Amino acid sequence: AQSVTQLGSHVSVSEGALVLLRCNYSSSVPPYLFWYVQYPNQGLQLLLKYTSAATLVKGINGFEAEFKKSETSFHLTKPSAHMSDAAEYFCAVSFYGNNRLAFGKGNQVVVIP
Amino acid sequence: DTGVSQDPRHKITKRGQNVTFRCDPISEHNRLYWYRQTLGQGPEFLTYFQNEAQLEKSRLLSDRFSAERPKGSFSTLEIQRTEQGDSAMYLCASSLDMEGSGNTIYFGEGSWLTVV
Repeated sequence: AQSVTQLGSHVSVSEGALVLLRCNYSSSVPPYLFWYVQYPNQGLQLLLKYTSAATLVKGINGFEAEFKKSETSFHLTKPSAHMSDAAEYFCAVSFYGNNRLAFGKGNQVVVIP
Repeated sequence: DTGVSQDPRHKITKRGQNVTFRCDPISEHNRLYWYRQTLGQGPEFLTYFQNEAQLEKSRLLSDRFSAERPKGSFSTLEIQRTEQGDSAMYLCASSLDMEGSGNTIYFGEGSWLTVV
């Protein structure tokens, strides 16, 4: 069965510092991978997705993620954190023939001025 | 493109009452999904429709839950005889089904349910 692991529910980062959120997946077939962001009391907004094209994927708001098959990972990074990046971030996986998304537990990002 | 809209955004109900949520997907999208999200957790899949057909239901969707998409456009999610454990945010999402998968799924703002 497909699953997603996100470690460290709360992540604190200083403004201007690197944001790194880790995501590891378990899937017996090639996955499609997604990162979503959720601001308080709002729905989910797609940051970026990997669908078997380039392994380095660029998304909105300066975020990017790299698919590493050997490590079964899809970590999300942003070089310089901004106060507006404070939100909850979810990694999700699906695979060919099944549009259902399986989500990780999320990372709550706090940006320290 | 007005996005996925959900109504109501917030609902407080007494245990045992019935509640219904409505979702209007992005107009050209043929797939519609319902997810449930509790505090501190990621969204969990409940069910999805391809046009008006309900193609998959999660085991999380007990007999008290029913979803419909009568004309392949908007959808409703009804919870009968609500229990406190039903308190959660119910997220609707939609996508355009294309060859293969990896289609982008667009989420609405969610409907918060509090059962007291």
